[in-house]
Formats: sequence, structure tokens, C-alpha cells
Amino acid sequence: AQKITQTQPGMFVQEKEAVTLDCTYDTSDPSYGLFWYKQPSSGEMIFLIYQGSYDQQNATEGRYSLNFQKARKSANLVISASQLGDSAMYFCAMRDNYGQNFVFGPGTRLSVLP
Amino acid sequence: NAGVTQTPKFQVLKTGQSMTLQCAQDMNHEYMSWYRQDPGMGLRLIHYSVGAGITDQGEVPNGYNVSRSTTEDFPLRLLSAAPSQTSVYFCASRRQQYYGYTFGSGTRLTVV
Repeated sequence: AQKITQTQPGMFVQEKEAVTLDCTYDTSDPSYGLFWYKQPSSGEMIFLIYQGSYDQQNATEGRYSLNFQKARKSANLVISASQLGDSAMYFCAMRDNYGQNFVFGPGTRLSVLP
Repeated sequence: NAGVTQTPKFQVLKTGQSMTLQCAQDMNHEYMSWYRQDPGMGLRLIHYSVGAGITDQGEVPNGYNVSRSTTEDFPLRLLSAAPSQTSVYFCASRRQQYYGYTFGSGTRLTVV
């Protein structure tokens, strides 16, 4: 069975600094996809970034990048130059080989300090 | 383009009552799912559908029913509400199995 682990329940970062949110996963599928979502205090779920298991390069989307280490089964989210609006819950998620199963981790609450 | 629309946004039920959470998407997505979000547990899959007429159970299906008569709509029915079903419910859709989800704004349900 697939599982996502996010070991940091809460993180603090100073405004304009970079922060890394950890995500490790467990799967026996040869092909899978990894996602990060942001949930601000307003409650909506916002897609941030995607990494396919066969992608050769780490995914990047603006200030977000995904540090994908396949052998270690980790998919950490890096946010560069943190902004106050980055304060939110962040969820790591994974879909399986056939795309049927889509599981989420417990989330990390990021607080950006002025 | 409305995306995924969930109604209602808030609901209070008494134990034993039944109700239906509505979900509609206008993106012609094949896949639709219902998740519940509880503190410290992330999002857990209740039921999902890979197309009209096809549904299957997720991780926590007990106490919930779904149907998918059209591509657009995927209602979630609570058969007999229990306090353990107090949660935030999200409906989500995606184009195909390899894509990520687009989420609705959620329904906050309290069962007293």
C-alpha cells in the first residue's frame, strides 16, 4: 500500500528566506506521480507542483521546486524567498502506477514570520 | 469556468439524519473523488469514480454512498449521520488518471 510521510507538523521561516518541507513516500509501483498542494487558512486546496517518477529533472514552478531523490523515496518541496502569503498547510500527495489510488500525507503547517 | 462546485459550504446535522453533499464540475473530467479532512490526518479518500456509472470505495467508505449518473455530478450521501462524520469534505476532479486533482471549496459538516 502507498503511504506518504510528512514528519514536520509545523515549520517557521523568516520572510525572504528559503524553506524545505519534507516528504517521504512508500510504494512498490515502478511508475507514480508526486504532488504538492497548499491549503491557506481560507480552506481551499491549491495545486503547486508535480513530479513524475521518470522525470529526469526536478520540477520547478516559480518560487516552488521539488527536490526529488528517487533512491531515498523523498520529494521535498523547496520554497524560495518566502512571503507572508506562503503561510498555510502544505500537503504532499502521490498517485499510483495506474492513477487509481491518490493518497495524501498529514500535512505541514508553515508559518512565515515578518 | 466554475471548476468544481460544492454545496452547501456549512451544514449542521443531528445524529441519525441523512443528507446529500452536492458536487458538480464543468471541466468534463473523468475522475471524481470525495475526501474527508480531519486534523492531523490529511485527506482520506471516501469514494471515487472513474466515469459515469462507475464508482468504487476508498479508504473510509462506511456510512457514505455515492452515484455518478452524469460526468458532471458526483453527490455524496450520508445515510445516518454520526458524530464521527464531523469533518471537512472535499470533492475533487481530474481529467485522467495521471493528472492531479482540482478541488472544490469544501463543506464543513458538524454532526451533533
